[in-house]
Amino acid sequence: DAGVIQSPRHEVTEMGQEVTLRCKPISGHDYLFWYRQTMMRGLELLIYFNNNVPIDDSGMPEDRFSAKMPNASFSTLKIQPSEPRDSAVYFCASSLGLAGAYEQYFGPGTRLTVT
Amino acid sequence: QQPVQSPQAVILREGEDAVINCSSSKALYSVHWYRQKHGEAPVFLMILLKGGEQKGHDKISASFNEKKQQSSLYLTASQLSYSGTYFCGTATGTASKLTFGTGTRLQVTL
Repeated sequence: DAGVIQSPRHEVTEMGQEVTLRCKPISGHDYLFWYRQTMMRGLELLIYFNNNVPIDDSGMPEDRFSAKMPNASFSTLKIQPSEPRDSAVYFCASSLGLAGAYEQYFGPGTRLTVT
Repeated sequence: QQPVQSPQAVILREGEDAVINCSSSKALYSVHWYRQKHGEAPVFLMILLKGGEQKGHDKISASFNEKKQQSSLYLTASQLSYSGTYFCGTATGTASKLTFGTGTRLQVTL
């Protein structure tokens, strides 16, 4: 298996622009997670899906952030409009189950820079 | 609430041992350990489930004291490849999400 795939790997955009991050989870994994990592706040869970359905989006910082999972093999995280404070590394992860007993496999991440 | 890790950073010479601690204020069901190398994604190391079991592979092992809500990661005879940031992740139940700790930066030198 190729593992979790994310694109793009790097994104530089100007404040106010729309940004779309993409993720392909490992085939057969029912759970997909979006994380954001910064020096100040560490690794934060933004939202997770189970069988393509959003279950918990309490970590999404603002209405500017939205996430979708139209099918089992694709998810997007969109920021509109983007702001400099959104600069971070965004990771997508997938797993067979929830955190109780299942490990999560992380994608390589998207490094977002908003100028 | 985010679990707290200690120490925040540690520098070792190759061959030395290290212990990284993870402490939570909540009752835990499981503790996960991940290692992240600079510029890369976190990589899963192991899970410890409620029951106080100890796990390990190669020269990295961990323990989980559910009464104290603490876990420790033990790295013995460290190698250069062990360098990176170690994160613990905690779950309060079988169906709960993972909350990651503050991270411990480990550097192994010659």
